[in-house]
Amino acid sequence: QVQLQESGPGLVKPSQTLSLTCTVSGVSTSNGVDRWSWIRQPAGGGLEWIGQIEAVGATMYNPSLRSRVIISADTSKSQFSLNLSSVTGADTAVYYCARRGGTSGWSFDYWGQGTQVTVSS
Amino acid sequence: DIQMTQSPSSLSASIGDRVTITCRASQGITNDLGWFQHKPGKAPKRLIYTASSLESGVPSRFSGSGSGTEFTLTISSLQPEDSATYYCLQHNAYPLTFGGGTKVEIK
Repeated sequence: QVQLQESGPGLVKPSQTLSLTCTVSGVSTSNGVDRWSWIRQPAGGGLEWIGQIEAVGATMYNPSLRSRVIISADTSKSQFSLNLSSVTGADTAVYYCARRGGTSGWSFDYWGQGTQVTVSS
Repeated sequence: DIQMTQSPSSLSASIGDRVTITCRASQGITNDLGWFQHKPGKAPKRLIYTASSLESGVPSRFSGSGSGTEFTLTISSLQPEDSATYYCLQHNAYPLTFGGGTKVEIK
């Protein structure tokens, strides 16, 4: 059973860097097939794809956030991480990690439960 | 970016009603589309992948259709547990983009 779990601070000060980690179990993050994404949803808003990483380390980012985002992976720990710099209140949201399954249609088949991140001083 | 226009943004229907939600892509995306159900406080759940394939374990009252730029999610007989917000997602081109969501309420 594939499971994903987000972890990280729930409160970040403006202008600082938001850092979250997603721990994956039930599948190897280095299988070379799947892609690992971060997605967010502000209160009352819709879903926004932030970016993804593949096993070989290749990344793709949403252009709207590209200048502030870094997604990295530690396959030895079955983890991938999100760093979002220079945050403002607009970055307050529930952040999800999710898998794009290479053998299951390429949309998000497994999701973490989500973690609320609030940007406030 | 490919824009996904989802309609309606909300609807209210009775138990047993047939419900249809539409997503229109700003350019052709073949069948690279998924549908998700999202309930408050929970992770989104995939219902449909590649436009018309039913996710394992999802009730058969859910179905998806379409290709190219027009896609539809249908709930054939609305049940109380279907109260949620539904989103489409295109994964044909980066950045991946979601529709704006359809909030389904039970009358």
